[in-house]
Amino acid sequence: AQTVTQSQPEMSVQEAETVTLSCTYDTSESNYYLFWYKQPPSRQMILVIRQEAYKQQNATENRFSVNFQKAAKSFSLKISDSQLGDTAMYFCAFMKGTGTASKLTFGTGTRLQVTL
Amino acid sequence: DAGVIQSPRHEVTEMGQEVTLRCKPISGHNSLFWYRQTMMRGLELLIYFNNNVPIDDSGMPEDRFSAKMPNASFSTLKIQPSEPRDSAVYFCASRPAGSPLHFGNGTRLTVT
Repeated sequence: AQTVTQSQPEMSVQEAETVTLSCTYDTSESNYYLFWYKQPPSRQMILVIRQEAYKQQNATENRFSVNFQKAAKSFSLKISDSQLGDTAMYFCAFMKGTGTASKLTFGTGTRLQVTL
Repeated sequence: DAGVIQSPRHEVTEMGQEVTLRCKPISGHNSLFWYRQTMMRGLELLIYFNNNVPIDDSGMPEDRFSAKMPNASFSTLKIQPSEPRDSAVYFCASRPAGSPLHFGNGTRLTVT
């Protein structure tokens, strides 16, 4: 079974600064996807970024980027130029394969607070 | 695209009552998932369907929980009888093959 570990329950960053959220996972699969989801106080789950395991290039989406280290099974999220609207819970998630029957396994989340 | 639609948004009920949560997935998405979120346990997968067929229900806590997907555009999660420990936010999510999950806004269930 796959496991996803987020070792930072809470983090804080000042507006305009950069912050990195950690995620490690354990799997014996070679083909899989990794995701970061954001959950603001509205409780909506919003996809932030995705990474295919077969791609060596790190994914980026505007101010969000990942550092994917496949051998180390590490998948950290970097938020640049942090904004107050980035305040939320952030969940790392793993999905094996590409089949329609694949499920997402989530980490326990990191609560990020962006301050003035 | 209206997204995944869940109802009700909030549900308050008394212990022992039956609760039914509803979900309409995004049209064309053939996989549907039910998750439960609590402070103690985080996001737990309860059950998921592919092409309306249950694939894995090992996350369903006990026989009081049941889920159905009678057609591609509708699913229900039922708790009978409900207990205070069932209080949580219940999310429905859907996706097409090989794509990320799209979540609904969740149903906050409170059982008193």
